[in-house]
Parts: sequence; C-alpha cells; structure tokens
Amino acid sequence: KAGVTQTPRYLIKTRGQQVTLSCSPISGHRSVSWYQQTPGQGLQFLFEYFSETQRNKGNFPGRFSGRQFSNSRSEMNVSTLELGDSALYLCASRLARNADTQYFGPGTRLTVL
Amino acid sequence: AQSVTQPDIHITVSEGASLELRCNYSYGATPYLFWYVQSPGQGLQLLLKYFSGDTLVQGIKGFEAEFKRSQSSFNLRKPSVHWSDAAEYFCAVGAQGGSEKLVFGKGTKLTVNP
Repeated sequence: KAGVTQTPRYLIKTRGQQVTLSCSPISGHRSVSWYQQTPGQGLQFLFEYFSETQRNKGNFPGRFSGRQFSNSRSEMNVSTLELGDSALYLCASRLARNADTQYFGPGTRLTVL
Repeated sequence: AQSVTQPDIHITVSEGASLELRCNYSYGATPYLFWYVQSPGQGLQLLLKYFSGDTLVQGIKGFEAEFKRSQSSFNLRKPSVHWSDAAEYFCAVGAQGGSEKLVFGKGTKLTVNP
C-alpha cells in the first residue's frame, strides 16, 4: 500500500505570495492532519480534517487554511507569506477519527524569500 | 496544557553501544505516547506507541520504550546501536487523549560514531 504522498516536495516563494500544498493520504484513510516543522518551534499541529470538515485546529493565524475533498485528499493554503513561514510542512493520515496512529508523509519544504 | 520534554538535544554514541533517549510528558490522564524517527530530508516514521497495558512496548528496528507513570516518562532504548540509527528522534503525546493533535518534543539528534 502506498504511503502518504505530498506535492510538491520543494517550493520557493516570495513574501506576500500565497501557496497551496497537497496531501494524498494512505488509501482508505479518512483523517488528514497537517504539521509545521521549523528549527525554532519544532513540530506544531496546524489542523485536522475528517469527512471534509475541520475537526481540530492549532494555534496559527488565519492565513493558514486547509480543506479536504471527498476522496480524502487535502490541501493547505498559506496566504500573504512571511519569511517565518519557511518550514517543512508535514501531512499525516489516520484510518479514522479514533484510529490510534498517524502516518506521516515526506513533507513539503517551503522556502520564503 | 500537554507538553513533552526531551532533555537531550544531541547524543553521540559508538556503534554497538546501548542507547537511551529520554522523554518526559505532561498529561492529566493516561496518555497516548509515541516515538517517531526522522532521517534528514524525510518525514516521520513511527517507531512505537503506548496506549495501555504492558508498560514495556516493542517497536521496529529493535527499539523498545518503557512507560513509567510515576515519573511521567517514556524513554526509548536500544541495546546495540547501528550506524543507520543516526537520525532525529521525536517523542509525542496525543493532546486530546487519542492520537490526534500530537504534541511533540523538540527532538534528540543521534550521532553514531564508527
């Protein structure tokens, strides 16, 4: 079974632009979560989607948003990019809301210049 | 609020030596605890998890961890380290009593000397 896939793997943007990252969960998994990883703040939870609805949200500004489609694929969007948004963005999927394990993808490396 | 502390930022061991990575958590009830490993440029791979039952859990790649409620700890161990174990290791707790909304420690970077 294929793992979690994320596209693109690398992205370079400039301040003020917006960006959309994509995540395809493991086949059959219906819950998708997003995390931001930076050297300073470490790994931080952004949000979780299940059945196309946001179920949990971390402590990030409204510039960070996401959505989930009926096939469980998810996208996250960051508007008005700031230098501090440079990070590795990781997507994780779970079989269901009460599943006991999150499986992570390889991440998208976003660099904001 | 839930939190995870990994006291050691960087650990260096020789190949073949034993390893223990420390993790302390803060959580009111019985936590869902995890250890993940991240190789450079890669995502996170689950090593092992604890929810309940036997406090000594076995994981992949020869790793094990012991849950000690009295010490709020969940330390990761391996009896004999291989060069391929060099990576960064993250301890995490489920912030809402399950596996969603994981709260991670800052990580411990492991270097293995030949």
